Amino acid sequence: DAKTTQPPSMDCAEGRAANLPCNHSTISGNEYVYWYRQIHSQGPQYIIHGLKNNETNEMASLIITEDRKSSTLILPHATLRDTAVYYCIVRAGGTSYGKLTFGQGTILTVHP
Amino acid sequence: EAQVTQNPRYLITVTGKKLTVTCSQNMNHEYMSWYRQDPGLGLRQIYYSMNVEVTDKGDVPEGYKVSRKEKRNFPLILESPSPNQTSLYFCASGSPEGRGYTFGSGTRLTVV
Repeated sequence: DAKTTQPPSMDCAEGRAANLPCNHSTISGNEYVYWYRQIHSQGPQYIIHGLKNNETNEMASLIITEDRKSSTLILPHATLRDTAVYYCIVRAGGTSYGKLTFGQGTILTVHP
Repeated sequence: EAQVTQNPRYLITVTGKKLTVTCSQNMNHEYMSWYRQDPGLGLRQIYYSMNVEVTDKGDVPEGYKVSRKEKRNFPLILESPSPNQTSLYFCASGSPEGRGYTFGSGTRLTVV
């Protein structure tokens, strides 16, 4: 799977949009971009994923650049409960589905 | 409620005493996996299983065994635990066409 690069930490004011970048310049055509977050020592929680097109769900939006070499996770109105470690993961489909590698992630701190 | 259930949540054991951490999912997922999480090292995959009777090594399989005799269960076995296996362990399940992986609440293991 392609390697991802994320900033180690970011801050965001409560109520503002949090934009978390991820670089995956070696991504290949069949690899998806997934985002998870982990609050304290809880199990990671799925947020969103995409292949080529931008995606939106009840939690966040995912913007993938046209060349697919980077993406941005957007939390439109961050709350204090969004303080967590956010992981960007690139994963192949098909028979490589099972292998999933987490990086160090971005520690997002939402402050009042 | 769709969930991944791990037991026990906390376990303190002595070096060399065989133990099993159970994992069960009720979502009929084909894929299941085990991770360990250590400070500064992030989440590392131990083993994964793409379906019943199919298991593969992750990044850190040494000292662990798994089995997948039925779809819903994926126990993690430590035949002879050592102090360097003291860690926070997570089980996860998912399906290729699904929204991503669902993680359990974690098992905090201490080997003395």
